[in-house]
Amino acid sequence: DGGITQSPKYLFRKEGQNVTLSCEQNLNHDAMYWYRQDPGQGLRLIYYSQIVNDFQKGDIAEGYSVSREKKESFPLTVTSAQKNPTAFYLCASSLDHSSGYGYTFGSGTRLTVV
Amino acid sequence: DAKTTQPTSMDCAEGRAANLPCNHSTISGNEYVYWYRQIHSQGPQYIIHGLKNNETNEMASLIITEDRKSSTLILPHATLRDTAVYYCIAVSSGSARQLTFGSGTQLTVLP
Repeated sequence: DGGITQSPKYLFRKEGQNVTLSCEQNLNHDAMYWYRQDPGQGLRLIYYSQIVNDFQKGDIAEGYSVSREKKESFPLTVTSAQKNPTAFYLCASSLDHSSGYGYTFGSGTRLTVV
Repeated sequence: DAKTTQPTSMDCAEGRAANLPCNHSTISGNEYVYWYRQIHSQGPQYIIHGLKNNETNEMASLIITEDRKSSTLILPHATLRDTAVYYCIAVSSGSARQLTFGSGTQLTVLP
């Protein structure tokens, strides 16, 4: 079945360590997105990519980095510069970036920094 | 994209219709109204969208006022599995956009 796979589901890291969250899709979607969600809050956009080898900062990009070397993959690295990295991270994809229809979300990665 | 305003929370009895309001008084002519929902600790799920006309699908109905300043999502026969946070989003078409999610409405369906 087509979909988005995020791994791992739960991730624990020590403060000061970089960590990379995986996001893979087999939907042949061009656009991919990373969102962060804090308890009781809506989703905030971190980075998005409209096409391979291209990506743009979202509203809260500081302390994060991404790459888009393949259409299927859009990994997110949470760096030590991110001051409060503990959160629920959601990856999404869409056929194109021009409408809100057809966004598919992964099941998320819950990152806890201790 | 236009800002949307939703109530923080609502309750609904199981089997009854759930009517979730959304205010988007600054919506422009080319902005669609989209609804997504998020069940606890899962990714959001698309429900329905519309521009001017009322829309219905297997999940819900969307009623948009004639002046397009507000809309209502209707779940005709709410079940316990409809308990979720519901997001109303205004999105322009035809240009590079990414969804902006506010805090949404926490709908709790009561047995």
